[in-house]
Amino acid sequence: SSELTQPPSVSVSPGQTARITCSGDTLPDEYASWYQQKAGQVPTVIIYRDDQKPAGVPERFSGSSSGTTATLTITGVQAEDEADYYCQSADSSSTYLFFGGGTRLTVL
Amino acid sequence: QVHLEQSGAEIHKPGASLKVSCKASGYTFIKYYIHWVRQAPGQGLEWLGIIKPGDGSATYTQKLQGRLTMTRDTSTTTVYMELSSLRSEDTAIYYCARRQYEGGHYYFDYWGQGTLVTVSS
Repeated sequence: SSELTQPPSVSVSPGQTARITCSGDTLPDEYASWYQQKAGQVPTVIIYRDDQKPAGVPERFSGSSSGTTATLTITGVQAEDEADYYCQSADSSSTYLFFGGGTRLTVL
Repeated sequence: QVHLEQSGAEIHKPGASLKVSCKASGYTFIKYYIHWVRQAPGQGLEWLGIIKPGDGSATYTQKLQGRLTMTRDTSTTTVYMELSSLRSEDTAIYYCARRQYEGGHYYFDYWGQGTLVTVSS
């Protein structure tokens, strides 16, 4: 089965840069998306197609992908960015979608 | 505006079945596939399956094959997810989500508010 691997947790101080990685064998051939889920809330997409941002997502969020790793970067982390972050991709048929295990970002 | 409204919280005993609804509005119903995702307490997101509102065809995660059924009613722009033979590990928040397509990539652009399902004797 397809798998995406994320670090369980990342901690940064306000104003620093946070990088959250997502590794998977399908990523060289398939795009990745990133979702932010704040406590008690519904997930929302913040990055799609590796590096595209929906309207309204702050500039400090960016995405990239190289080889088997996709990366979500938050430049100048703010307290409000504390949340769980999930990467998502698909199999080669684009029928089966799957998520990484999620990364909890803690703002110290 | 696009909106996915899900049915309310449910409590079931082991062995029972659940049926959660997701009513879509604000867009052309048959143009976008709907996915179902669940999240067990304190856990991550788990993809369950996809339904094509146009013809009702569905694909499910292998993990739940035989227990999971997705249907739709085009007259009410509602999709349904039915899970049978419930177990305690099916306790989760169940979400419906609309699939969007951009340049060769599929992702979820709108989500329902979630339906909490508790399975307990």
